[in-house]
Parts: sequence; structure tokens; C-alpha cells
Amino acid sequence: KNEVEQSPQNLTAQEGEFITINCSYSVGISALHWLQQHPGGGIVSLFMLSSGKKKHGRLIATINIQEKHSSLHITASHPRDSAVYICAVRPDYNTDKLIFGTGTRLQVFP
Amino acid sequence: DAGVIQSPRHEVTEMGQEVTLRCKPISGHNSLFWYRQTMMRGLELLIYFNNNVPIDDSGMPEDRFSAKMPNASFSTLKIQPSEPRDSAVYFCASSPRYNSPLHFGNGTRLTVT
Repeated sequence: KNEVEQSPQNLTAQEGEFITINCSYSVGISALHWLQQHPGGGIVSLFMLSSGKKKHGRLIATINIQEKHSSLHITASHPRDSAVYICAVRPDYNTDKLIFGTGTRLQVFP
Repeated sequence: DAGVIQSPRHEVTEMGQEVTLRCKPISGHNSLFWYRQTMMRGLELLIYFNNNVPIDDSGMPEDRFSAKMPNASFSTLKIQPSEPRDSAVYFCASSPRYNSPLHFGNGTRLTVT
């Protein structure tokens, strides 16, 4: 079993829909990252969080440390949100190494 | 802020050849990471440096891979000799300090024939 599991693996949506991507992990962590990888290949860091909730524009990330679960929400989705979304965790022992999920491929159709 | 700069963007080489990938981190960032991405294994950390010192190289696949960071503004990842299974996209990333958000370069797509 992978230490970081994402669901769903693939997601399609119509423009305007509310999107939720889930991430569960099995190790103790000091931080969780959400990354976005566009079809061109570049990777952008969206959020780093260790508790609670963060919001940036139409994106919201939440984390529940007790349940070892995080969600990434996209409100009013748009075709330009089409990308692969990757969850990664930093274990709570003394390391800067990230453990990555396998990603969720999102396609938003107009 | 020019971002993390990687070169080359694409590299095609024949099996057995030496390959050198280059990375310039964001100025002032203390940590530098080399990642490899493949369809089969996703993103994997190869090695990371803090203040130019290698901290964790447990992800380096074998002795054919080596990485250096001679100064705060430059790092190389070398594969010698290259093999077809090394074909992947190699990303460099930097961060300002321990446990902070990563800034990724655009990656180098390596194809070994």
C-alpha cells in the first residue's frame, strides 16, 4: 500500500462544477503539499499546510491531521484548471524529503 | 525573480553516453532538490542539498548517477553511462529554507536510445 493515496485517479467535470480531490496518508507528517502539473509539464506549488484550511482564489485546501486526510477543492471550475493535481507529504522525522501521491488527472470541459 | 532554470529542456542521447543536467536555483534559496518523473513511478526524489551540502541521496538509483552543488547558484546531475531505463523527466526544485514550499524548474526530458 502506498503511503500517500489520492482519489479519484481521473476526474472529468463540466465548467462551473465544484471539484474535490482527496488525499490520504499513513505516516506522521510535518506538512502536506498540493502541486499542480499542467499538460506542458511544469509543476507549480499550490499550497503547503500543516493544519486547518488555506484558500487562494478559487482553490481551497483543507487538512485533518487526526484523520490523516486532506482535500483540495476547486470552486467554479474552468477548462484552464485541467491538470494533474499531486499531493505530497513531508514525514515528521527530520527530513526535507517528500512522499508523493500518484496524482489526480482533472479535465474540465466547457 | 527568474525562477529555477534548468538546461537543457530536451536531451536525446545514445545508451552508454554521459549526460549532464544543469540547474540554477532561485537566488537566496538554501535547499535544492533533484526529482525524476516517470509514468510508472511518478515523482521520486533523487537527492537534496541544503546550503550546498548533500543531505539525502538515498533516492539515487545507482552509482551511475551523481550530483554536485559546487556553489549556491549551480547544481548538476550526471548519468554515466546512460541507459534506456533512465529516460524520464528530471526536475530541479529549490526552496528558501527547510520545510517550505518548493519552486520547480521546467524540467529536462531525457531520452536514451
